[in-house]
Amino acid sequence: EVQLVESGGGLVQPGRSLRLSCAASGFKFDDSAMHWVRQAPGKGLEWVSGITWNSGFIDYADSVKGRFTISRDNAKNSLYLQMNSLRAEDTAFYYCAKDVDLAYWGLGTLVTVSS
Amino acid sequence: DIQMTQSPSSLSASVGDSVTITCRASQAIGNFLAWFQQKPGKAPKSLIYKASILQSGVPSKFSGSGSGTDFTLTITSLQPEDFATYYCQQYNTYPLTFGGGTKVELK
Repeated sequence: EVQLVESGGGLVQPGRSLRLSCAASGFKFDDSAMHWVRQAPGKGLEWVSGITWNSGFIDYADSVKGRFTISRDNAKNSLYLQMNSLRAEDTAFYYCAKDVDLAYWGLGTLVTVSS
Repeated sequence: DIQMTQSPSSLSASVGDSVTITCRASQAIGNFLAWFQQKPGKAPKSLIYKASILQSGVPSKFSGSGSGTDFTLTITSLQPEDFATYYCQQYNTYPLTFGGGTKVELK
């Protein structure tokens, strides 16, 4: 059974940093592209970033480009999102998802950016 | 970026009804379209990929069609557990983009 478990969310002040993690199990992680998608409270879904199986291709939404960095450790079956220079508008649930068609999602972790 | 426009943004229906949601892409995306269901407080769940292929375990009451720029999601015989918000998503081109969502509410 595919499982994705996000962690690392919390309350952070504007301008500070946070690192999210996504632990994967139940599938061949090093064969799969992975993505981060976020959802601000009461709003729709927004793709944040994606990374191919070997980190050979990485892309970001314009809204986070230059501030967020996606990475993965295939030996640890883990996906990461380093978030720097956080803004109030980054407040959202952050989900990791498997494959470009986002076939499987984690339960999400809430990031709140507020002073 | 490819814009995904869903309509309607909300609809009211009764148990047993059938409903259709449309999704239009601002440029052709082939059949690289997925549909998701999201219930309040829960993560989205994948229903359909490649425009018309049901994910494993998704009941056949859900069906998708379309290619190019115009797509539809049809849900037949609505049951209480089907009242939720539905999103389309294109994965033909980065950045991946979602429709604004369609909330299916109980009439």
